[in-house]
Amino acid sequence: GDSVTQMEGPVTLSEEAFLTINCTYTATGYPSLFWYVQYPGEGLQLLLKATKADDKGSNKGFEATYRKETTSFHLEKGSVQVSDSAVYFCALVDSGGSNYKLTFGKGTLLTVNP
Amino acid sequence: DAGITQSPRHKVTETGTPVTLRCHQTENHRYMYWYRQDPGHGLRLIHYSYGVKDTDKGEVSDGYSVSRSKTEDFLLTLESATSSQTSVYFCAITGGGRLYEQYFGPGTRLTVT
Repeated sequence: GDSVTQMEGPVTLSEEAFLTINCTYTATGYPSLFWYVQYPGEGLQLLLKATKADDKGSNKGFEATYRKETTSFHLEKGSVQVSDSAVYFCALVDSGGSNYKLTFGKGTLLTVNP
Repeated sequence: DAGITQSPRHKVTETGTPVTLRCHQTENHRYMYWYRQDPGHGLRLIHYSYGVKDTDKGEVSDGYSVSRSKTEDFLLTLESATSSQTSVYFCAITGGGRLYEQYFGPGTRLTVT
């Protein structure tokens, strides 16, 4: 079955540091890939997405590129802020008629210190 | 923001009692999902619905049932709550022109004592 593996946290950075959160996937079909973010006490919000190989999703300074050859979708941001402190989830949807069910990684807690 | 609400937002109940959580949407989306979130597990799919009266199991469906009698409401029932069902429960929806994007409700924190 489909699966998502993301780097374990927690990750602690200083403000303005560079962020990378690794994500790799296994899928039987040709998936669409997502990063969701969960701020403390809230539900998940879609951060960015990519639907085909070499697509780059971007939002709020975050970026991730769909790499089919390495089955990866790593999240990056050049300069993190305290307000980026949250849990980040990598996820996929198999586009092969799966009723659009999401498969999630376990999440990575990011803490950014001033 | 997508119009999704969940009720109740917090609930404490005793082992063996029935519990029903409600998800309500105002987007008229076809697909609705129930997930549970637990430390070290991320989010796991419990049940989902692909239309009124059309539901199916997810990966952790044991001990849970669902019903969807109207497009806007998706109910999750724990017939006899157990301590292992203490969790945060999220509802999500997708539909319209963005079928690959799910939008999540604010969550229900359930504690079974």
